[in-house]
Formats: sequence, structure tokens, C-alpha cells
Amino acid sequence: GAGVSQSPRYKVAKRGQDVALRCDPISGHVSLFWYQQALGQGPEFLTYFQNEAQLDKSGLPSDRFFAERPEGSVSTLKIQRTQQEDSAVYLCASSLEGAYFAAFFGQGTRLTVV
Amino acid sequence: RKEVEQDPGPFNVPEGATVAFNCTYSNSASQSFFWYRQDCRKEPKLLMSVYSSGNEDGRFTAQLNRASQYISLLIRDSKLSDSATYLCVVNDEDKIIFGKGTRLHILP
Repeated sequence: GAGVSQSPRYKVAKRGQDVALRCDPISGHVSLFWYQQALGQGPEFLTYFQNEAQLDKSGLPSDRFFAERPEGSVSTLKIQRTQQEDSAVYLCASSLEGAYFAAFFGQGTRLTVV
Repeated sequence: RKEVEQDPGPFNVPEGATVAFNCTYSNSASQSFFWYRQDCRKEPKLLMSVYSSGNEDGRFTAQLNRASQYISLLIRDSKLSDSATYLCVVNDEDKIIFGKGTRLHILP
């Protein structure tokens, strides 16, 4: 497809369960970003990749959050031992390179922890 | 101080009116500025980039004031379909930072 693709679209997890969220960026886009968006808030930066290198992970809220992009294309955001406060929409975006080009978003994964 | 600040609104504006909102940013080294639009329960979508000289796209005009560190968005002849949340976006080195958004309701 031409756009950023995320899966699953919806995920319900029991508290304590591990989850993995996938992002398939636009082909040829070097940069990939993950954001967390709570209801009524703007997207909050989590982490950023340039190709396979994770250049910034300062926004990850705890060591339960882990992201990877091993081949510089598809990325996975993993949350271990999910907590209720992890419930949010997780958005992935890609750009040609860095923050100087506009980023394009996937439809997001809505995570609900029960 | 938050890196990117916006008035959350809501702005309730009659159809056909002109509406403008601003966004301030804290990092004077920022070089990239964008406005995104987000509809309820949808992903943010790029509305327009903001250039130093200001730029226009149809009914939308964006301006940048580096001295005062703010960007603005003006919407002329507003349509019902303009109802959405408008997100201000600024880069912080390689990170893209979003404001919390300004909600706009266009009233028939």
C-alpha cells in the first residue's frame, strides 16, 4: 500500500499481558516515529528511528516499553506487563528523512488494558 | 514550559467566518513547522507546512514569526467540514513535537 500501515487496529489486553504493535512505513521513508495519544490530548513522542538505528527513545514512559526496527523498515513497539495507564492510541509515522520533512501517519492501534 | 503550546479551544465559529489560531514554541533552534488536522478518532493528517515567508493554500494561510516564536493558521470562509482539531507541529532536532491541539467547531 501507499500509506503507513499499522496492526492491529484494536487490541484489548489483560493487565500484565505483553503486547506487540506493528508499523509498516511508507516505502523509502528513512525515518519512523512512534507516538502515544491519550483521549483529548495531542500525540506524545515516544521514540524515533533513522533506518534501523534508534536515535531517540527519550519519550518511552518506562522500561516496559521497547521498540525495534531491525531491518530499517517495519517497526514493532512492544509493551511488557501492560498497565491500565498504557491504554491509549499508539500512532506510527514515517518521513523521508528526519523532522525536516512532513511525517505521515498510520491509522493507529487503539490499546485498551482491562 | 511546554515545548509547543496551543489554546485548546473550542473555537465555535459560524460557517463562512474567518478564524485564526496561534501556536507558540519554546526551542528557538526549531526549523520545521507544520499544521496537521485530526478528525475525531482518526490519525493526524498533514494540512500544510509553514514557511518563513508565510504560505497560502486555498482558504488556509500559515505564518511563522521567528522573533516571537509562534506560528499561526488562518482559515477563511470556513466550511462545516473544517470542524476538527488542528495540531501545531515543530521539530526539536530530529524529533517532531506536537501541541495538544485546538478544537474548532464550525456552526451551521
